[in-house]
Amino acid sequence: GAGVSQTPSNKVTEKGKYVELRCDPISGHTALYWYRQSLGQGPEFLIYFQGTGAADDSGLPNDRFFAVRPEGSVSTLKIQRTERGDSAVYLCASSDGWGDTQYFGPGTRLTVL
Amino acid sequence: GQQVMQIPQYQHVQEGEDFTTYCNSSTTLSNIQWYKQRPGGHPVFLIQLVKSGEVKKQKRLTFQFGEAKKNSSLHITATQTTDVGTYFCAGQDRSGNTGKLIFGQGTTLQVKP
Repeated sequence: GAGVSQTPSNKVTEKGKYVELRCDPISGHTALYWYRQSLGQGPEFLIYFQGTGAADDSGLPNDRFFAVRPEGSVSTLKIQRTERGDSAVYLCASSDGWGDTQYFGPGTRLTVL
Repeated sequence: GQQVMQIPQYQHVQEGEDFTTYCNSSTTLSNIQWYKQRPGGHPVFLIQLVKSGEVKKQKRLTFQFGEAKKNSSLHITATQTTDVGTYFCAGQDRSGNTGKLIFGQGTTLQVKP
């Protein structure tokens, strides 16, 4: 079946702009995670959704970052007033439940000029 | 906060040689998961270890979880060029109703044919 998909695959923006990154999880998966991966590093947790609610947003670096999952399926990560330090690959993962295997999408490479 | 350390950062081997990467957590883990990421790709799930002292094998790959559930290792016997990539361990924290993964920095394996 279809895996996790993310759009766009690449996003180039200017410092100070607003961006939205989209994640389509595996159909039926209730848990959805956002991670951020900088070059040469392991993925870093940002936020976890169980259904429509953010069960754990402890990884969001500051209030410029926000994520939603209004219908418990697709999720959007929103970044306001982007900074050059936000440049990274943003990964989305989904799982059947919060203790199960997480399946990662291909990621969105964000570049802030 | 919880940290997961992984060594070595890089390993270059001749095809046919063995390879091992080690993972240590600052806290006791509920479980540990291993992922492989090819250059330009996303993390792909390999295995999950749950029980203290658990050992699992996948063909030439052997995974171990320490007795104290704070460390783990991945051993590859007789490496092949197809083993090239970065191997990440990720500890799962099930406290507080979150399944977020805490990733190590990864070990990048290069195999010379």
